[in-house]
Amino acid sequence: DAGVIQSPRHEVTEMGQEVTLRCKPISGHNSLFWYRQTMMRGLELLIYFNNNVPIDDSGMPEDRFSAKMPNASFSTLKIQPSEPRDSAVYFCASSRDSNEKLFFGSGTQLSVL
Amino acid sequence: QKEVEQDPGPLSVPEGAIVSLNCTYSNSAFQYFMWYRQYSRKGPELLMYTYSSGNKEDGRFTAQVDKSSKYISLFIRDSQPSDSATYLCAMRPLSGSARQLTFGSGTQLTVLP
Repeated sequence: DAGVIQSPRHEVTEMGQEVTLRCKPISGHNSLFWYRQTMMRGLELLIYFNNNVPIDDSGMPEDRFSAKMPNASFSTLKIQPSEPRDSAVYFCASSRDSNEKLFFGSGTQLSVL
Repeated sequence: QKEVEQDPGPLSVPEGAIVSLNCTYSNSAFQYFMWYRQYSRKGPELLMYTYSSGNKEDGRFTAQVDKSSKYISLFIRDSQPSDSATYLCAMRPLSGSARQLTFGSGTQLTVLP
């Protein structure tokens, strides 16, 4: 299995631009998580999907952030408009069940100038 | 005050040393404890997990939990350069799910050859 696949690995954009991060979870996993990691705040859960349905989006910082999971093999996290304080590493993780261990992707390093 | 506190390091040790990594927590509901290892430019991967107080051993790694003191540790024996990574503790209530995981900020470890 290829594991959780995220793209792009790096994204550099200017303030105000739209950013879309992509994730392909492990086949057969029904839970998907988006995390953000910064030096100051560590690893924070942004949103959690179960069976493609958003269950908990309480970690999404602002309305500028949105996430979708149109099918079991694909999810996106969108930031519009982006701001410099959004600069961070964004991780997608999946698990077979909501109680099972998480498998993380390699992350997207986002820099907003 | 954060629910989970972890010394960020960095910690640098010679090859073969015994390494001790620690976390303290304030939420007595946390009953399920995990250690994740994160290599540079990679996502975290689960290293060990435990539910109970006491020690759990897996090869060169030992996870220790002291619920009365709200203190957990990860010991690495005979440390190797390949152990160089950031180690994150994570915890949640026993009846909770992965979305309730609270992560420490991570300790950066370097094992010098």
